[in-house]
Amino acid sequence: AQKVTQAQTEISVVEKEDVTLDCVYETRDTTYYLFWYKQPPSGELVFLIRRNSFDEQNEISGRYSWNFQKSTSSFNFTITASQVVDSAVYFCALRGNAGNMLTFGGGTRLMVKP
Amino acid sequence: ETGVTQSPTHLIKTRGQQVTLRCSSQSGHNTVSWYQQALGQGPQFIFQYYREEENGRGNFPPRFSGLQFPNYSSELNVNALELDDSALYLCASSSPPGVNTEAFFGQGTRLTVV
Repeated sequence: AQKVTQAQTEISVVEKEDVTLDCVYETRDTTYYLFWYKQPPSGELVFLIRRNSFDEQNEISGRYSWNFQKSTSSFNFTITASQVVDSAVYFCALRGNAGNMLTFGGGTRLMVKP
Repeated sequence: ETGVTQSPTHLIKTRGQQVTLRCSSQSGHNTVSWYQQALGQGPQFIFQYYREEENGRGNFPPRFSGLQFPNYSSELNVNALELDDSALYLCASSSPPGVNTEAFFGQGTRLTVV
């Protein structure tokens, strides 16, 4: 069975603060894929990043960065210098080696205040 | 925008009725997955269609059924609606199972059962 846990249900920060969203996963697959999606109030899930289990290199994209640590089964997401437009619900998701089914965490609601 | 479109955007049904939700996949994608997202929770996998056949199913009863058409668009049908079926229903299109790509989501259909 696969499981994704996002322990932080809600985070509130002031604009320009850095914020890290935690994600811990469980899987028995040796090859798997991790994702982060952003869900604004409109409802659509916006793809942010995909990471393969055999690639532990961290990634930076503008103000976004991701820290993948296989030893602790974590795939954390950091937003640097947060902005009001970053306010949304963020989901971490896992896909195993077979099929395209995504297992989502419960999400973290991020509120960035001006 | 992802190119995945869902209709309708909102729907109100009465308990016991039947509902059909529709999804047009992104160009070039022949796999469609459906997810149910209850309020305040992460999306839950319902089923996936590939080449017009069901290719994986989550923990949902048989009254949740689907179709995929030759143009890869898809329908989700729910019979004998229950109050707990009230949720945001998300459609995702992707490359064939086993191909390592991300899934792209539509804006969802918000179903309210009264």
